[in-house]
Amino acid sequence: GAVVSQHPSRVICKSGTSVKIECRSLDFQATTMFWYRQFPKQSLMLMATSNEGSKATYEQGVEKDKFLINHASLTLSTLTVTSAHPEDSSFYICSAAGGAQGDTQYFGPGTRLTVL
Amino acid sequence: AQSVTQLDSQVPVFEEAPVELRCNYSSSVSVYLFWYVQYPNQGLQLLLKYLSGSTLVKGINGFEAEFNKSQTSFHLRKPSVHISDTAEYFCAVSGPSYGQNFVFGPGTRLSVLP
Repeated sequence: GAVVSQHPSRVICKSGTSVKIECRSLDFQATTMFWYRQFPKQSLMLMATSNEGSKATYEQGVEKDKFLINHASLTLSTLTVTSAHPEDSSFYICSAAGGAQGDTQYFGPGTRLTVL
Repeated sequence: AQSVTQLDSQVPVFEEAPVELRCNYSSSVSVYLFWYVQYPNQGLQLLLKYLSGSTLVKGINGFEAEFNKSQTSFHLRKPSVHISDTAEYFCAVSGPSYGQNFVFGPGTRLSVLP
């Protein structure tokens, strides 16, 4: 099956700093990548959808200046949490779709962000 | 707008017993339905999906689900669970186009007891 990786798997940072999370499709070209946020013991909430080479489409209530998304290539999307605060601490999961995989979303393993 | 309900937040069951995890959805358009499993501190793994055709869908790890349009349900079943099935299970819906407007349910925590 298709493989999606995320890096880092865990990150701890100080309040006020920025953190970048990478999402890569390892064996297929992902025309679309999705970023989700998951709070403890809760479901996934879609934050934004990005298409390669285009600006990301953010869901209502998600601050685009806070969560910067770049999808510069068919295998890489990045999520940058700018000026992180403790309330940004969460589990961030990406998924990728496209190419030979069609519209099926394949999920990455997630990144645990802890802001102190 | 679409929505997904998973009535049971937690389901404890003994090993080798059958299990059913319930999922109901609401949508004004045609939908595609999915079940995902999430092991602790990991991403999601697709168990199975319903696109069209036969309403009984078989997935990985011995799971199956049945699409019932009249009851707007897509319950997940397994005839005999293992300890390793302990995880969080999410039902999801997309539509009207495949992969569009993906919405997840709140999840059901399946705990398999020895």
